[in-house]
Amino acid sequence: GDSVTQMEGPVTLSEEAFLTINCTYTATGYPSLFWYVQYPGEGLQLLLKATKADDKGSNKGFEATYRKETTSFHLEKGSVQVSDSAVYFCALSDQFGGQGFSFIFGKGTRLLVKP
Amino acid sequence: DAGVIQSPRHEVTEMGQEVTLRCKPISGHDYLFWYRQTMMRGLELLIYFNNNVPIDDSGMPEDRFSAKMPNASFSTLKIQPSEPRDSAVYFCASRHRALGDTQYFGPGTRLTVL
Repeated sequence: GDSVTQMEGPVTLSEEAFLTINCTYTATGYPSLFWYVQYPGEGLQLLLKATKADDKGSNKGFEATYRKETTSFHLEKGSVQVSDSAVYFCALSDQFGGQGFSFIFGKGTRLLVKP
Repeated sequence: DAGVIQSPRHEVTEMGQEVTLRCKPISGHDYLFWYRQTMMRGLELLIYFNNNVPIDDSGMPEDRFSAKMPNASFSTLKIQPSEPRDSAVYFCASRHRALGDTQYFGPGTRLTVL
């Protein structure tokens, strides 16, 4: 079945450091890939997404490229800020015939950025 | 747009009591999802509906949990009787298939069962 694996946290960085959070997936079809972010006490918010191979999603300085050959969708940001401290979830959506589809989240990676 | 609305935001109850969580999806969305989030198990999909019909409830942990969607603008998740291990944050999310795969999450209900 489909699955998502992301690096365990917490990830602790200093402000302005480079961020990478790894995410790999397995899927039976041609999934869409997502990164969601969850700030303390809030629900998940879509950060970025990519719907096909080689697509790059980007938002708020974050980027991730859909790599079919390595089944990966790593999240990167060149210079993190304290306000980026949150939990980041990698996810995939895979459509089957009819109404069926799967939407699977990774376990989340907590990022803590220190001033 | 108001986004996905959940109520209550916090619920504290005693073991054995019935708990009902409520969700109003984004207007026009045709999919609705219920998730549970705990530190131990992460984010788990409990059930989802398409056009008010339950499609996959394989994530519902046991018969104490039930979910309904009587119309396109309202859904409930009920736990009866509640147990301390049900303590978690419960999220509702909605999606419009024609607009793509993105799910939009509500703020969650933090449930504490004493």
